[in-house]
Parts: sequence; structure tokens; C-alpha cells
Amino acid sequence: DAGVIQSPRHEVTEMGQEVTLRCKPISGHDYLFWYRQTMMRGLELLIYFNNNVPIDDSGMPEDRFSAKMPNASFSTLKIQPSEPRDSAVYFCASSPDSQGVGTEAFFGQGTRLTVV
Amino acid sequence: AQKVTQAQTEISVVEKEDVTLDCVYETRDTTYYLFWYKQPPSGELVFLIRRNSFDEQNEISGRYSWNFQKSTSSFNFTITASQVVDSAVYFCALSEASNTGKLIFGQGTTLQVKP
Repeated sequence: DAGVIQSPRHEVTEMGQEVTLRCKPISGHDYLFWYRQTMMRGLELLIYFNNNVPIDDSGMPEDRFSAKMPNASFSTLKIQPSEPRDSAVYFCASSPDSQGVGTEAFFGQGTRLTVV
Repeated sequence: AQKVTQAQTEISVVEKEDVTLDCVYETRDTTYYLFWYKQPPSGELVFLIRRNSFDEQNEISGRYSWNFQKSTSSFNFTITASQVVDSAVYFCALSEASNTGKLIFGQGTTLQVKP
């Protein structure tokens, strides 16, 4: 398997523009996570899905952020409108945990977002 | 509420020294899982180990070892005879069985191993 695939790897956009980050989880994994990493706040869980259903979005910072998982093989994280403080590395991860076994999450390479 | 604390922000050692990275967690669950991840300078997050709350046996994998103590809610990570390639940010994480799938990370410890 190719692992978790994120695109783009780097994104530079102007303030106010819409940004869409994409993620393809590992086939067969039931859980999908979106994390944001910044120097100030470390790794923050934004939202996670189980079987394509959002379970906990309490980490989504504002209404400008939205995430979808239309099917088991694809998820998006959208920021509209983007702001400079959204600049961060965004990670997508997936996990095969479907029985509460607590298996590890596998991370993508991340998308480095810069909003100018 | 689940919480992970890595009190050491940065550690610097000289190659071949042993180093221990501390991790303290908080949870109300009796069933939970603990993890360590490594983030090298290239940026990806690499899974190192997982332990469940019922298994307090220490684990050794090569130069890496982990000490899990429920009595002190700690899951510490020791690198023996450190090498320059061990330089990275190391994250401890916690997942509760009642909150299946939600993985919460500590702030991370930056380890610098100097030649």
C-alpha cells in the first residue's frame, strides 16, 4: 500500500482565498484524522471520521474550516476564507481501528500551508 | 479528560549518551492506549510503539526501550547509546477506549544528538 496520500505537499495562497487540502487514507482503514501542527500549539486534532462519519469536530478552530469525507477513500479539509494564522502543516492520518483496539494511526507526509 | 504532558521541550546530548524522554498522561478510562511517534527533520510522523493499559511490561527494541508505569501515569522512552540519526521531535500520544480513535498528542520533545 502507498500509505496515506496528501495533496498538495505545499500550498501558498493569499489571504481570503479558499484552500482545499486532500487526503487519501490507507485502503481498509476505518478512521481518518486531520491534524494541524504549529510551533505554538503543537499537534492539534481538528476532526476525525469513523466510517466516513464525522465523530468529533471540536478541534475545528472556526466556521471557516470544514471537512468532508464523501467516501472511504477520500477526504477534504477546506478553509474559506484563509487567513495568515492558518499557516501550518496539516496532517491527515488513518487507522484500522474498528473494534476499540487502539491501533496506531498512519500519517501522510503533510501539507505545508502558507497564507500570505 | 485526556491529556498528555511532555515536560521536556528540548534535550541535547552528545552521541553515545543515553537519554530518557518523559511522558505523563491523564485519563479517567481504565482501558487506554499509549503511543510514541518520531518526527525527523524531514517532517513525517513515524510510529514507534503502542502499549495498552493492561500491559505494563517494559519493552525493548534495539537501542529503544519504554517504561510504562500506571502508578505514576508515565510512559517514558529511553534511547541507549544515542546517535545523530536519533535527532528528531518525539511525541507521546494517548487514545482512550471510550473515545475510540481519538488520538491526543503531547507537545513533543525535541532531541538533538551532537556528534
